[in-house]
Amino acid sequence: KNEVEQSPQNLTAQEGEFITINCSYSVGISALHWLQQHPGGGIVSLFMLSSGKKKHGRLIATINIQEKHSSLHITASHPRDSAVYICAVSPLPSQGGSEKLVFGKGMKLTVNP
Amino acid sequence: DAGITQSPRYKITETGRQVTLMCHQTWSHSYMFWYRQDLGHGLRLIYYSAAADITDKGEVPDGYVVSRSKTENFPLTLESATRSQTSVYFCASRSQFNQPQHFGDGTRLSIL
Repeated sequence: KNEVEQSPQNLTAQEGEFITINCSYSVGISALHWLQQHPGGGIVSLFMLSSGKKKHGRLIATINIQEKHSSLHITASHPRDSAVYICAVSPLPSQGGSEKLVFGKGMKLTVNP
Repeated sequence: DAGITQSPRYKITETGRQVTLMCHQTWSHSYMFWYRQDLGHGLRLIYYSAAADITDKGEVPDGYVVSRSKTENFPLTLESATRSQTSVYFCASRSQFNQPQHFGDGTRLSIL
């Protein structure tokens, strides 16, 4: 079983829809990261969070440490949001150290006009 | 320009050849990482470095060699390339504990 699970694996939405991407993990963590990768492109860090909620433009990331779960929400989705969204965690030192990230397999989002 | 750059962006080579992928960052970040990205596996760590002259294996180190003689450079060498090493390779860096990683644009490597 992967330490980081993302759901759904693929999602197709219509422009303007509210989108939620989920991430569950099984280890204790010091932080959780959300990354974005456009087709054929590089990888960009969107959020790093260890508690609560963070917002950047139309993107909102939340985390529930007790439930080992995080969500990435996209409001008023747009075709330029089409990308792969990757969840990654920094395990606690007692569970493998924090130098290394543990990645989910990513979720491919397609937003149609 | 400040940032992290990888070279080459694309590379085609033959099995058995030696290939070196370059990674350069201008932030003086302590930590640098090499990942490979394959369909169905996501990102997997090959090697990482906590500082100059300090390197350590990741999840999939076999067939790869790294060095870090200078803080800003972290080259990855495939000593004798195999088809299974066809992949997209990403270099990343970060400054300290629990900071976001910054990724390069990737190198798409094909081994024929």
